[in-house]
Amino acid sequence: GAGVSQSPSNKVTEKGKDVELRCDPISGHTALYWYRQRLGQGLEFLIYFQGNSAPDKSGLPSDRFSAERTGESVSTLTIQRTQQEDSAVYLCASSLSMPPYEQYFGPGTRLTVT
Amino acid sequence: AQSVTQLDSQVPVFEEAPVELRCNYSSSVSVYLFWYVQYPNQGLQLLLKYLSGSTLVKGINGFEAEFNKSQTSFHLRKPSVHISDTAEYFCAVKEAAGNKLTFGGGTRVLVKP
Repeated sequence: GAGVSQSPSNKVTEKGKDVELRCDPISGHTALYWYRQRLGQGLEFLIYFQGNSAPDKSGLPSDRFSAERTGESVSTLTIQRTQQEDSAVYLCASSLSMPPYEQYFGPGTRLTVT
Repeated sequence: AQSVTQLDSQVPVFEEAPVELRCNYSSSVSVYLFWYVQYPNQGLQLLLKYLSGSTLVKGINGFEAEFNKSQTSFHLRKPSVHISDTAEYFCAVKEAAGNKLTFGGGTRVLVKP
C-alpha cells in the first residue's frame, strides 16, 4: 500500500513569507507526527495528532508554527513569517495507536529560507 | 523527560568488518526503543524495535540490537557490513505511555571498500 507522502519535496522561500507543508498519512493511521531535522542533527519533535486533535504541541518552537489535521487524514504544517533558522527538513510520520507503535516516515520536505 | 545519546557521530568501517553503534538513553519510566536508518536523500526506515520480551532484537539487513536495562543502553550491531550500509543511523525512545519519539543525534556510518 501507499506510504506516507509529503509535498512539496523542496521549498525555497524568502525570509518573511509564509509556507505550508502537507502530509498524507497511511490510510487508517490515527496518529500523525511532525518532526524537524536540521542539517547534521537528529530529529526534533514538533507536534502530535490523535485524529484531528493535537494533545501534544510541546515541540512547536514559536507561535509562528501551527498545524492542523482534517479528521484522520491530511495534515498541514504552517510556518508564518519564515526565518533563516527555520531552514530544515520537515518530516511527517504516522502510526497506529496500538502496539507495535511503529512510526512510518515520509520522505520529508526540505525547506530553505533565503 | 527522556533523552538519547549516540556516542559516536561518525563511524568509518571497512567492508565485511563488524560495526557497533552505541546508544544510551535516560528515562524515569518504561520505554520502547527503536533504531532507524536514513539513506542519503531518503526518509527514515525502521531497522528494529524493542517493546518487551527477549532483550536481543533482530532486524532487517542483518542488524541486531541488545537492550540492557541496567546500563540503559540499546547498542546496534552488524557482524559484517556492506557498502550499501553507508547511511545515518538514529536511535530513538518512546515512553511506554507516551506518543512522540525522542531521537539521538545520529551516527553516520561510512563503509569503505
